Amino acid sequence: KQEVTQIPAALSVPEGENLVLNCSFTDSAIYNLQWFRQDPGKGLTSLLLIQSSQREQTSGRLNASLDKSSGRSTLYIAASQPGDSATYLCAVKTNQAGTALIFGKGTTLSVSS
Amino acid sequence: DAGVTQSPTHLIKTRGQQVTLRCSPKSGHDTVSWYQQALGQGPQFIFQYYEEEERQRGNFPDRFSGHQFPNYSSELNVNALLLGDSALYLCASSSGGTQYFGPGTRLLVL
Repeated sequence: KQEVTQIPAALSVPEGENLVLNCSFTDSAIYNLQWFRQDPGKGLTSLLLIQSSQREQTSGRLNASLDKSSGRSTLYIAASQPGDSATYLCAVKTNQAGTALIFGKGTTLSVSS
Repeated sequence: DAGVTQSPTHLIKTRGQQVTLRCSPKSGHDTVSWYQQALGQGPQFIFQYYEEEERQRGNFPDRFSGHQFPNYSSELNVNALLLGDSALYLCASSSGGTQYFGPGTRLLVL
């Protein structure tokens, strides 16, 4: 059974700092991995999607990497801003198209000005 | 292009009641998935509908049921509500690829 773990559960950093969020999964047979952002009480916004054949994806100040063999992904946020404060969720899709996303519990990030 | 929409935004019910939540997928999407997110937890998969049939189901009791209409919109029904059903219910739509999430319906069971 696939399980997704995110560490740390919460993180506080000053504005301008670079930071890394971690995601691990127990079964390396994944179809893809996706990072989401969730603001309090709101829905999910997709940030980056990495296919199983890819090693990383970049969007602006965000970079996500994937190491299937070790069951790990990282989300790197450069030059953090107060507007980055949110919960970041990692989700994997198992090795079949159309199946469910399996989520971690998320990392809650607070960036202070 | 409208994204995924859900209604209502908030709902308060009492134990034992029944509730229906609604979801309209993003234009061009034919697959709808429902997730339950309890406070402080990641979303948990309830079920997925494709071509008006339940294609996959998560580990939820049969008090949770759904439907997909010919226009691909979907409903989630929960019977005999329990206090533990209080959560944010998220709908996601897709067309074989990335899932796009709606804003969710916040359900409070008293």
